[in-house]
Amino acid sequence: AQSVTQLDSQVPVFEEAPVELRCNYSSSVSVYLFWYVQYPNQGLQLLLKYLSGSTLVKGINGFEAEFNKSQTSFHLRKPSVHISDTAEYFCAVSANNNDMRFGAGTRLTVKP
Amino acid sequence: DTAVSQTPKYLVTQMGNDKSIKCEQNLGHDTMYWYKQDSKKFLKIMFSYNNKELIINETVPNRFSPKSPDKAHLNLHINSLELGDSAVYFCASSPHPGSGELFFGEGSRLTVL
Repeated sequence: AQSVTQLDSQVPVFEEAPVELRCNYSSSVSVYLFWYVQYPNQGLQLLLKYLSGSTLVKGINGFEAEFNKSQTSFHLRKPSVHISDTAEYFCAVSANNNDMRFGAGTRLTVKP
Repeated sequence: DTAVSQTPKYLVTQMGNDKSIKCEQNLGHDTMYWYKQDSKKFLKIMFSYNNKELIINETVPNRFSPKSPDKAHLNLHINSLELGDSAVYFCASSPHPGSGELFFGEGSRLTVL
């Protein structure tokens, strides 16, 4: 079965600074990879996804992620964060799209 | 219109009671899910239905019983509630099992006293 490890449980960063949230996955078969964001007291919403093709994926709100098969990673980046980016971010992996597995989440806190 | 809606949003109940959470999606999707999010924000899949048929059933106590009367609805019934059942339960849907994107409801926070 596939699994996901998010390497940082909390990432504090100052406004307008760049940020990287790290995600590594494990699977014996080809996978699809996702990043979701959860704002306080809300459900999750999709930021971006990698299904195939270009390894650099652009998502909403200026986020992007790069699929690296050799390092089994799918790190999320943003060049300049805003206060409104404060949220919980989840990396997820699916091997057949029936069964999506989530990482433990990374709490991004953007400080003024 | 809310795409995936869950009711109730908050539920406080005593140990031993039976409760239900309802979920409806108006997106025309074929596949629906229940996830449990614990106090540390960890998300775990519980069940998945495709066109009213159960396709994923994780290791969940049989006190939890999902019911899908039609493909737009997936309800979750919990018998004999325990303290450890306290969590936020999320319903989600996707166009089909191979679509790669889940649409989540806003969650139902269950507190068992």
